[in-house]
Formats: sequence, structure tokens, C-alpha cells
Amino acid sequence: DQQVKQNSPSLSVQEGRISILNCDYTNSMFDYFLWYKKYPAEGPTFLISISSIKDKNEDGRFTVFLNKSAKHLSLHIVPSQPGDSAVYFCAASKGSGNTGKLIFGQGTTLQVKP
Amino acid sequence: DSGVTQTPKHLITATGQRVTLRCSPRSGDLSVYWYQQSLDQGLQFLIQYYNGEERAKGNILERFSAQQFPDLHSELNLSSLELGDSALYFCASSVDFGSYEQYFGPGTRLTVT
Repeated sequence: DQQVKQNSPSLSVQEGRISILNCDYTNSMFDYFLWYKKYPAEGPTFLISISSIKDKNEDGRFTVFLNKSAKHLSLHIVPSQPGDSAVYFCAASKGSGNTGKLIFGQGTTLQVKP
Repeated sequence: DSGVTQTPKHLITATGQRVTLRCSPRSGDLSVYWYQQSLDQGLQFLIQYYNGEERAKGNILERFSAQQFPDLHSELNLSSLELGDSALYFCASSVDFGSYEQYFGPGTRLTVT
């Protein structure tokens, strides 16, 4: 049962344009959401997060939006740069903070073309 | 460089064998997590240790076990290996037991032939 889903395996955008990566979840108990970025031959790197009490969090070129009623979150990258080309994983966590266990989506490969 | 180290980088072994993957967390981090990434799959949470104690368990097979030692490094033991165990195994660490922002190592690629 895939509780966190990234339905687009890949996305290609032009440098300077906006990249929008999407993520859906099924478990309404999730209370914290994160995006990780992964380059080949490296481990995932934390990018940005959002608590379920918020609907938007911004950090430089990266903005995460959360729509709780739709159980949907998205990552916006503006403007996109070639160095942003990587696999992006959406992750979610639930509960009291007794564990940092994360549930990950399958990932979306972003290619930013110069 | 996340500060999390994993050894070995690559491991090739035969079915039925047993292997040990090792992880050293970032300096000061007390929690260690193990994740498995199979082909075309997201990362699947296996197990978490905090300061030497098991904190949370995912869908970890009974053939797999882990521990965290007093110096906080962790080992993941995989036994009676099957072809389907071929995957990338990532270790992550965080300062606390409930920290969602985790620092990942480069992974160990296990190939079972």
C-alpha cells in the first residue's frame, strides 16, 4: 500500500522556467512533509519541509505547498537551474515525534535543460 | 558531504550468504535509520535506533537485523540472502529520535547473484 505517491516518474523543464513536482498521500495522520533531492551515487539531501498546520513554506527558490483537503503537496522551483537536475523524493511522517521514521514516494527525476 | 559514512560502497555476494553493512552517523547524532531502495522504488524504512535502543521498525524481514553500538555506529545484518534483496541500502542519522530532517550516507549497493 503506497501511502505516498509521486505519479510522475520524470519531468523536463527549460532553464529559468518553473518546475512543479507533485506528491499525493493517503494517510490523514501524516503531520509533517519533506522533500529530499538525490544526485546519482549520493544519498538523499534534505531540501525543504512543511508542517501540516501550514499551507506554504518558502526557502529561496524552493516553495512547498500543502493542500490538506486534497492530500496533495507540491514543490515549486523558480527559476529552475541545470544544477537542479536530480531525483526528488517526497516524504511524510506521522505521530507524536517518538520516531523520525519517514515514508517516501517513488521519486520524480527532474531534468533542467540549458 | 553529509558526515554520514557507510561501508562498503559495493557488495556482491551469492544467494544464501550473510553480509554486514556498516554506518557511522554524523558527529553528535544519536539516531540512526536504515532504508532500502530497490529498483524503481522509493526508499523503504527498515529500522531506527536511538542511543543504542531500537526505536521504530518498518517492514524489515526477519532475515535482517540491526544494532547500534555504544560508539553509536550501526550495523545492518542481512542473512540467507535472496536475489530480491539486491538494492541500495541507505543509512541516515539525526540528532534526536523524532527528527524528520535526516542526513543520509552515500549508500551501499548490494548485488545478490
